[in-house]
Amino acid sequence: EIVLTQSPATLSLSPGERATLSCRASQSVSSNLAWYQYKPGQAPRLLIFDASNRATGIPARFSGSGSGTDFTLTISSVEPEDFAVYYCQQRSNWCSFGQGTKLDI
Amino acid sequence: EVQLVESGGGLVQPGGSLRLSCAASGFTFSSYYMSWVRQAPGKGLEWVANIKPDGSEEYYVDSLKGRFTISRDNAKNSLYLEMNSLRAEDTAVYHCARDVTHFDHWGQGTLVTVSS
Repeated sequence: EIVLTQSPATLSLSPGERATLSCRASQSVSSNLAWYQYKPGQAPRLLIFDASNRATGIPARFSGSGSGTDFTLTISSVEPEDFAVYYCQQRSNWCSFGQGTKLDI
Repeated sequence: EVQLVESGGGLVQPGGSLRLSCAASGFTFSSYYMSWVRQAPGKGLEWVANIKPDGSEEYYVDSLKGRFTISRDNAKNSLYLEMNSLRAEDTAVYHCARDVTHFDHWGQGTLVTVSS
């Protein structure tokens, strides 16, 4: 089983600041990593797939990077609607999610 | 527009059963893998199961094998999750999702509460 570890658990920022979220895999997942945004009561939203590809309709302020075991989701300038929980997910070996990073004001 | 709408959640006693449904529209349902993903209160996302486009094969997270069954009816554009021998730890919001190795479309979810 591949374990994904996200850090930090909580990231407290103000609108306009840069957010850097990390996801580390217990073994290589190549580029088979996705990022999601999750707000309570809503459907999760795919942001990034294959480590660095933005999903349809996702603003350019969201970007993903990394390969192998270390991955980063960057929000270049946080907007008020970006405050949510972010999850990484791998499909290299079955399917697993990280425990989430809460982006907080 | 792709839409996924779950239903069938509710309150059930420990040991009981429940069947969740997911109605799909806006895409060719029979061409896609589909998955169920859940989130327990205060916890992260957990993949539960997925099923091939033609329904011929199913895959489950090891911890749920034997209690949960995923199925689909392509004529009705519907996905199902049959849950048996439910436990308190199965309490969660259950989402269906279109599965293209990542999950590109999700429903809002249906809440299952297992409690006496």
